[in-house]
Parts: sequence; structure tokens; C-alpha cells
Amino acid sequence: EAGVAQSPRYKIIEKRQSVAFWCNPISGHATLYWYQQILGQGPKLLIQFQNNGVVDDSQLPKDRFSAERLKGVDSTLKIQPAKLEDSAVYLCASSFLRGSGANVLTFGAGSRLTVL
Amino acid sequence: GNSVTQMEGPVTLSEEAFLTINCTYTATGYPSLFWYVQYPGEGLQLLLKATKADDKGSNKGFEATYRKETTSFHLEKGSVQVSDSAVYFCALSGGDRSSGNTGKLIFGQGTTLQVKP
Repeated sequence: EAGVAQSPRYKIIEKRQSVAFWCNPISGHATLYWYQQILGQGPKLLIQFQNNGVVDDSQLPKDRFSAERLKGVDSTLKIQPAKLEDSAVYLCASSFLRGSGANVLTFGAGSRLTVL
Repeated sequence: GNSVTQMEGPVTLSEEAFLTINCTYTATGYPSLFWYVQYPGEGLQLLLKATKADDKGSNKGFEATYRKETTSFHLEKGSVQVSDSAVYFCALSGGDRSSGNTGKLIFGQGTTLQVKP
């Protein structure tokens, strides 16, 4: 099966500019996650969708980050305006089940953002 | 809330050496436990998992046993290869009595493994 697709792979912007990342999950996966991975740290969940509804966005900096998953398939994560500390890899993941103990997330290759 | 702690890296080994990467967790309930691996330039890949106490996950020569009494899930391999060089992440899912099981993963900070020929 096709994996989780993400684009762009790399993006360099100036601070205060905006950026958007796109994710297409594995077909049939109802749950979609956006994680932020800062260099040298483990991934941190930003937002989780179940179909097109938000399950958890408690760690999303809502003053500058937004995400949507229209039609319950692909998703877009936006940052506006960007800060230096937003430099990170943004990982998208999807899974088939939400509340199962055997829930396995499949990750995309990530989008690396550098804010200058 | 739930959390995962891994041993600091980098870990540098010679080929065919024995590997242990320590991982301990904090949870109010009984989570599922995972090891993910990130090879250079690639995304995170599931390496192995265990869903209940005393379960042993294994894959590609790697093993980890879910130890409830010590809240640990240490990763081991008997003989590492240069191709095992990567960053290894321990993670948990569920086991949070206050928020229930949403399926999200909570990760440790990662341990870099370098294997030299």
C-alpha cells in the first residue's frame, strides 16, 4: 500500500512569514496526527483528527498554528506568522484504529522547516 | 500525564557488539509500548511493540520485554550491524486514566546509535 505522503520535504522562510504543509494519509485510515520534532527531541503531538473532527489539539499553539482535515482525508497544517523556534520537522502520521491498544501509527517522511 | 524517558546518547558500538537502550515510562494505567526507528533521511518506522505486561516484542533481531514491575521496555540486540545505525525512540500509547486512550503516541527523546565497522 502507498505510504503517508507529505509535502514539501524542505522549506526555508523568514520569521513572520507563513508556511503550509500538506499530508495525505494511507487510504482508509480514519485517524491523522501532526507531530513536531525539534532537533534532538522526540516528536510532540500537535493535533489529532478522527475523520474530519479534532480529537486532541491541546498542544497546538493556536495563536499561530492551524490545521484542517476537510472531507476526512488529506490535511493541511499552517503556521502564520512563523517564529525562529518553529524550526523543526513536521511529521504526519495516520492509523486505522483510534482507541485500540494495538494502534500502530504509520509516519510520513516529514517536512523540514527552517525559519531564519 | 504519561511520559517516557530514554537513556542519553549517542551510543557508539563496534559491529557485533551487544546493544541495550534503556527506556522507562510513567503512566497511570496500562499503556501499550513501542520502539520506533528513524534511519538517516527517512521517516519513523515501527520496530516492535508490546501491548501487555510480560509481552515480548521482536523484529529484525531486536527484542524488548514489557516489564510492569519496573515500568521498563528496554531495547536489546545481541549483535549489531553498521546498518543498525539510526535514532531509536521509545513510545507509549494509552494508559492514561484521566484522558482515556486516544491512540496518540508519547515519545521519549530518542537515542542515537552509531555502529562502527
